[in-house]
Parts: sequence; structure tokens; C-alpha cells
Amino acid sequence: EDQVTQSPEALRLQEGESSSLNCSYTVSGLRGLFWYRQDPGKGPEFLFTLYSAGEEKEKERLKATLTKKESFLHITAPKPEDSATYLCAVTHTGTASKLTFGTGTRLQVTL
Amino acid sequence: DVKVTQSSRYLVKRTGEKVFLECVQDMDHENMFWYRQDPGLGLRLIYFSYDVKMKEKGDIPEGYSVSREKKERFSLILESASTNQTSMYLCASSSPLAEGRHEQYFGPGTRLTVT
Repeated sequence: EDQVTQSPEALRLQEGESSSLNCSYTVSGLRGLFWYRQDPGKGPEFLFTLYSAGEEKEKERLKATLTKKESFLHITAPKPEDSATYLCAVTHTGTASKLTFGTGTRLQVTL
Repeated sequence: DVKVTQSSRYLVKRTGEKVFLECVQDMDHENMFWYRQDPGLGLRLIYFSYDVKMKEKGDIPEGYSVSREKKERFSLILESASTNQTSMYLCASSSPLAEGRHEQYFGPGTRLTVT
């Protein structure tokens, strides 16, 4: 059974204070690892897909990286508008349509 | 841009009522999904469909059924709503496996309260 664990559960940063969110996973035959952003009361918004260890993707202040056991979402010089819950999900070769989600990291960026 | 819409943002129903949640996507996606999201439990898959009239159970199908009569539309049905089905319901869609892209695109969600 696929398992996804995200840490920390909650993170409070000051504007400009860079940090990383962690997503560790246990899956047989990783087909893809996904990062989403979710604002309160809204549906998740797709950010990145990573397919193999060593891969990196960037978007504005966000950079996602992947190893064989975990993924990191690095946030460089965050702004208050980066405040959201960040979700990680995986799919494996047997059920490439289905995603297994972690419970998310709730990020708050203050002035 | 992919657009996934859900029929209601907020819904209040009574115990025992039959509830229909509708989802429509405009990207000609083969796959569609229904999740519920609860604090501390994350997103849990209820049902999914990989083609018209095809459906498969997810991790928590009990108390729910689905219908997919047209490619763009996927409905979630609560046959007899119960208070433990109070939750945020999220619909998603994705491309076929053959296209090699597995990311799912989500709708805005329906906050259902059963009293």
C-alpha cells in the first residue's frame, strides 16, 4: 500500500525566510510524484510532476526536487501570498490513474 | 486551461435525503475522480471512472454511488445521506494513461453539510 507522509504539519515563516517542505513516500514502482497548492475552501491547484530521482522543477519562488525516498518543496524568499496548504501525492505503475495524497503542510507567511 | 466545475459550492441536506453532486470538465479527459477531504485525513478517493459508463471503487466507496453517462460529466450520489458524510467533496479529471501525464485537475469543491 502506498504511503505518503508530509512534514511539518504546519510552518510559519516570515516574509523572505526561505525553507523546505518534506514529502516522504513508500511506493512500489513510482510513476510520478505531484505537488499541489490548496487555498482554504478551494480545490487543489496543480504545481509540479516529478518522475525520476534527481529531477527538479521550478515555478517562481518554488522548486521541487525528488530522491528515491522523498521530495522537497523549497520556497525561496516567500511572500504572504504563498500562504496555503501544500499537498504531495504519488502514483505507482500498477494504478497510474490513482493518486495517494499526504495530509499536507499548512504554510503561513507573515510580514 | 483545464476547467473542472462542480454544481454547488455549499449544500445543506437532511439525514436520509438522496444527494446528487455533479461535476463537469471541458478538457475531454478520459479519467474522472471523486474525493472527500476531511481535516487530518487528507484526500480520500471514493470512486473513479476511466471511460463513459465505466467506474471503479476507490478507498472509501461505502454509502456512495456514481454515474458517468457522458464523457464530460461525472456524478456522485449519496443514496441516503448521513451525518458522517458531512465533508468537502472534490472532483478531478486527468488525461488518459497513454498520454503519459497523470496529474489531476480539481474543481472548486462542494462543502456538504448533513444535519
